[in-house]
Formats: sequence, C-alpha cells, structure tokens
Amino acid sequence: GQQVMQIPQYQHVQEGEDFTTYCNSSTTLSNIQWYKQRPGGHPVFLIQLVKSGEVKKQKRLTFQFGEAKKNSSLHITATQTTDVGTYFCAGPSGTYKYIFGTGTRLKVLA
Amino acid sequence: GAGVSQSPSNKVTEKGKDVELRCDPISGHTALYWYRQRLGQGLEFLIYFQGNSAPDKSGLPSDRFSAERTGESVSTLTIQRTQQEDSAVYLCASSKRGGSGHSGNTIYFGEGSWLTVV
Repeated sequence: GQQVMQIPQYQHVQEGEDFTTYCNSSTTLSNIQWYKQRPGGHPVFLIQLVKSGEVKKQKRLTFQFGEAKKNSSLHITATQTTDVGTYFCAGPSGTYKYIFGTGTRLKVLA
Repeated sequence: GAGVSQSPSNKVTEKGKDVELRCDPISGHTALYWYRQRLGQGLEFLIYFQGNSAPDKSGLPSDRFSAERTGESVSTLTIQRTQQEDSAVYLCASSKRGGSGHSGNTIYFGEGSWLTVV
C-alpha cells in the first residue's frame, strides 16, 4: 500500500541551528500538507503545496514540493525553542483520506 | 463551535468494556475524520465521513470498532470489548469539504481523547 516516510525520525539541534525534515511518498501526490504537533498537543495545519517544484515560505519555515511530486521538505532556519514538536507531512490516499508520514521529532536545545 | 471538540478528553477503562468517544466538528464542515495515534507514533487513519456517510472505513482495525455520524455533525467512535492495544489518543478532525485532491482543504484536529485500557 501507499507509504509516506519521513527522515530523520528524531533531530536534536542547538538553538539557532537550521533543521530540515524530508518526506518521501511511494506514489505521486496531487498535493502535500505539513502539520506541527507540539508535545502533548494535536496536529496543527501549517501549509499545503500543490504544484510541482513549488516553494512556499512562512517566516523561518521553507516548504518545498519536489518536481516529481513524490517528495517534499520542510526547512527551518535558525531554530528557536518554540519550534519544538513533531512535524508530519500528509499526502492524499485515494479519494478521501490523507496518509500521514512517520513524523520527525525536533528537539531544540537552548 | 470555534474548533473541533472531543469528549472525553481522558478515559481509563477496564479491558473488555465498551467505550464511546464523541466528536463535534467545526460547524458547516462536511468532512470528518478519525485517526488513532499511539504514544510516540504517527497518525493512523481509521474512518472518513462525508456528511453522514462513511465512504472510507478502511482503517478500522477490527469489527470491534465502529463509528457513526448524525445530522452531518456529531460523530461517535465506539470500541467494543476494549483491549490493551487499543490504548492510544483518538483524534477527530474536520474539513470544510471532503476529498483529498482539493487545494485549500485544511484539516482541523481536535485535542483528542486519550484512552487507556487497563
């Protein structure tokens, strides 16, 4: 079945360092979404990418959708302690549902 | 309401008992999802509702799990004869319209119902 994998599974960075998580799908995606889940919290929508090669920025966060629409990345510049959490990508599977990636848990050391 | 509301927020039940988890989606949202998240794990799709119909229930792990939605609003996830492996957070989410191929189809999650089976 369709799989959405993320690497790395965990990442510890020093505050101020950059961070990148990569999302890879076994199938071509019509769109991809990114979510952030704070410890003990629920996933919160960050962004949706639709076009091949699309790049979107939200302050220190840069999201990219691959040319083949099978992979995506989230890059955070100069991490802050508020960036702590698990970042999930999600891709559509079939007509209705989204399959979530395995997630990357980010820890920022002050 | 302003967001997706779930109840109970926490539930501890004995193995073998039945539990019901409730979800109130954002008003006007036609699509409703249930996901399960085990501790430290990713989100596992359970079921999707479009209106009151469930065109995709492929993620329900066994026939002990069932869900319904009424009035194109409230949904209830029922787990019968709970087992310890059912312990997880059950997350409900809604979106304005259904279908995973649409742009702008933001999914809003509730705080989740934390279920512990002892």
